[in-house]
Amino acid sequence: RKEVEQDPGPFNVPEGATVAFNCTYSNSASQSFFWYRQDCRKEPKLLMSVYSSGNEDGRFTAQLNRASQYISLLIRDSKLSDSATYLCVASQAGTALIFGKGTTLSVSS
Amino acid sequence: GAVVSQHPSWVICKSGTSVKIECRSLDFQATTMFWYRQFPKQSLMLMATSNEGSKATYEQGVEKDKFLINHASLTLSTLTVTSAHPEDSSFYICSLTGTLSYEQYFGPGTRLTVT
Repeated sequence: RKEVEQDPGPFNVPEGATVAFNCTYSNSASQSFFWYRQDCRKEPKLLMSVYSSGNEDGRFTAQLNRASQYISLLIRDSKLSDSATYLCVASQAGTALIFGKGTTLSVSS
Repeated sequence: GAVVSQHPSWVICKSGTSVKIECRSLDFQATTMFWYRQFPKQSLMLMATSNEGSKATYEQGVEKDKFLINHASLTLSTLTVTSAHPEDSSFYICSLTGTLSYEQYFGPGTRLTVT
């Protein structure tokens, strides 16, 4: 079983749509959770951290459910520039990040 | 956050040759760096943890004699792919941990193609 599993995608949505990505992690010792964004042939870049209380950054909302070991990312009012692969990440402090396979989002006009 | 560079950004080499990839922290002293590999449409997979002044810690399934890691200083780690084969063609990315243990900063990656 993979440590971090994500929706396989791809997600093809029109501009302005709301889209949600889900992710589960298997290591209950994981302490830190993130969503990264990776554009084609580029390194991943941190999109946002994920907290149990939930956190919002503009059009992006992330949620963590420790009991279910479940992480989500909600994107509202999708833009063309949101097209990318979104990577779910879990880790223990100071250790390497464990990445999910990624979910590809394609936003069209 | 920390600024991380990698060199080269892309390389094409012939099968059987060795390739060295450098990862530099430009503004931060990193005792630990990580090397990842990503095949097309796949996740980033951790290859090894590079520790300054000591041996690297390799993940299961990663051949330490094939992927030589040297972390000679707090700002430089190198990954050498020895006797490269076409199946080693991949995107190699390094990262380091920032001041806060949960922060990680990635280099821009090196795309290796072995012909």
